[in-house]
Amino acid sequence: GAVVSQHPSWVICKSGTSVKIECRSLDFQATTMFWYRQFPKQSLMLMATSNEGSKATYEQGVEKDKFLINHASLTLSTLTVTSAHPEDSSFYICSAPFILQGSYGYTFGSGTRLTVV
Amino acid sequence: AQKITQTQPGMFVQEKEAVTLDCTYDTSDQSYGLFWYKQPSSGEMIFLIYQGSYDEQNATEGRYSLNFQKARKSANLVISASQLGDSAMYFCAMRSYGNNRLAFGKGNQVVVIP
Repeated sequence: GAVVSQHPSWVICKSGTSVKIECRSLDFQATTMFWYRQFPKQSLMLMATSNEGSKATYEQGVEKDKFLINHASLTLSTLTVTSAHPEDSSFYICSAPFILQGSYGYTFGSGTRLTVV
Repeated sequence: AQKITQTQPGMFVQEKEAVTLDCTYDTSDQSYGLFWYKQPSSGEMIFLIYQGSYDEQNATEGRYSLNFQKARKSANLVISASQLGDSAMYFCAMRSYGNNRLAFGKGNQVVVIP
C-alpha cells in the first residue's frame, strides 16, 4: 500500500522548453506532497511542499516561477520546470506522508531524471 | 532546527559481513521519528527501517537493525550478512512530530564486494 507513481522516469528537453512531472498516489489520498531535487552523489534537497487545494510552500532559494507546483486533487501533484536550462538538469523525486494501519511513513515516487540540452 | 549527520566516507564491505552506518541527529523535540532509506543507482528511495523516539526497543527488519542511543542522539543502521544487492547510497532521515517534513543526512555510499 501507499504507492506513488511518478512520470516520466526520464526526460530530455531543449533549453527554453517546459517539462511537467507528475506524481500520482495510487491507493491513498496524498494531501501533502514533497518535491525534492537531487544532484549526483548528494542528498535530497527539499524544494517545496504542496498541499491539496492550496498554494505550495517553497524553500528558500527556490524560484517559484521556475518550478511551478500544482496539487489540484488528492491523488495528483505536478511539478513544471518552466523555461528549462542546462543547470536545471537533475533528479527530481516526490514523496508523500501516509498513515497505514497505524504506521506513519513516507512513500517516494521513482524519480525523474531531467536532462536539458 | 533539525540536523542529520552522516560523516562516513564511501565504504567497501565484504559480502556476508556486517556493516554499520553511523547517523547522529540534533533536535530539541521530544517526539520524533528516525528513518533509514536505501537508494540504489536506479534512484528509487527504498524504506528500510523506522525508530520512534519513544520506542524502547531497537527496531529490526530482517537483516536491518537500528542501534538507537537516544541519549547520544545516534541511530546507526546495521546491515547483517551483506549482499551484493546492498550496494547503494543509504540515507538517515528524521521527522519531528511538529511537522511532516523529513530532514535527510548526506548519505553513506556502500559498495559490497564479493
